[in-house]
Amino acid sequence: GENVEQHPSTLSVQEGDSAVIKCTYSDSASNYFPWYKQELGKRPQLIIDIRSNVGEKKDQRIAVTLNKTAKHFSLHITETQPEDSAVYFCAASLKAAGNKLTFGGGTRVLVKP
Amino acid sequence: NAGVTQTPKFQVLKTGQSMTLQCAQDMNHEYMSWYRQDPGMGLRLIHYSVGAGITDQGEVPNGYNVSRSTTEDFPLRLLSAAPSQTSVYFCASSSGQDLWWGTEAFFGQGTRLTVV
Repeated sequence: GENVEQHPSTLSVQEGDSAVIKCTYSDSASNYFPWYKQELGKRPQLIIDIRSNVGEKKDQRIAVTLNKTAKHFSLHITETQPEDSAVYFCAASLKAAGNKLTFGGGTRVLVKP
Repeated sequence: NAGVTQTPKFQVLKTGQSMTLQCAQDMNHEYMSWYRQDPGMGLRLIHYSVGAGITDQGEVPNGYNVSRSTTEDFPLRLLSAAPSQTSVYFCASSSGQDLWWGTEAFFGQGTRLTVV
C-alpha cells in the first residue's frame, strides 16, 4: 500500500520568514495530494491540494509543488504569521482506491513573533 | 449544512466494554472513512466505505467494526475496548462524483476516547 513520509517533524520560523515542508510517497499511481492544517484540539482542514497533472499550485501565501518523477511534493508558506502556527499534514490518495487518504506523520510549525 | 457530525466528543471506557462512535454527514458524499490520531503518528485509516453497503479495511482495522446502511451514517464499533485504543477518532467524508480525481475530505470534530 501507499506510504507517505513527511519532514521535518517540527519547524520553528521567525514571523515573516518562509516555511517549507516536504513529503515523499511510494505509490506512483497516487494522483491527488492534499495538505491539511490542524490547530490544537481542532479537526484537520484542507488548505491546498494538487492533482498529479499539475506541477505547482498557489493560493495567496501558500503553494504546493509536485515532482511526480521523484515522487515528492512540498508545501511552501511565505511571509509566515503567528496564526500559521499549527500541525500540517500531507496526504496522498488514488480515486480508484476509494479516495482513501494516506497521511504523513505531520509537521508542527511554530511561528515566533 | 452541518457537514460531518460525530458523537460523542469525549468518552471514557473500561477495558472490555463495547461502544459505538457515531458519524453522520449531510453532504450526500459517497465516501466515508474513520481515522485514529495518536501523538506523533499522524492519522491512520481504520475502515472506509465507498457507498452504502460497501466497506473495507484500512491500515489499522483490528478491534473495530463498521457498517454503512445509509449514505449519511457510518458508525464505528469498538468490540472490546483495550487501552491501546485510547486515541482521538476522526470521521471524514468526501465526494466521489469526480471520475478520476480525489476530492477534499471533510472531517468531523473528533471523539477523544480514553480506555482505562
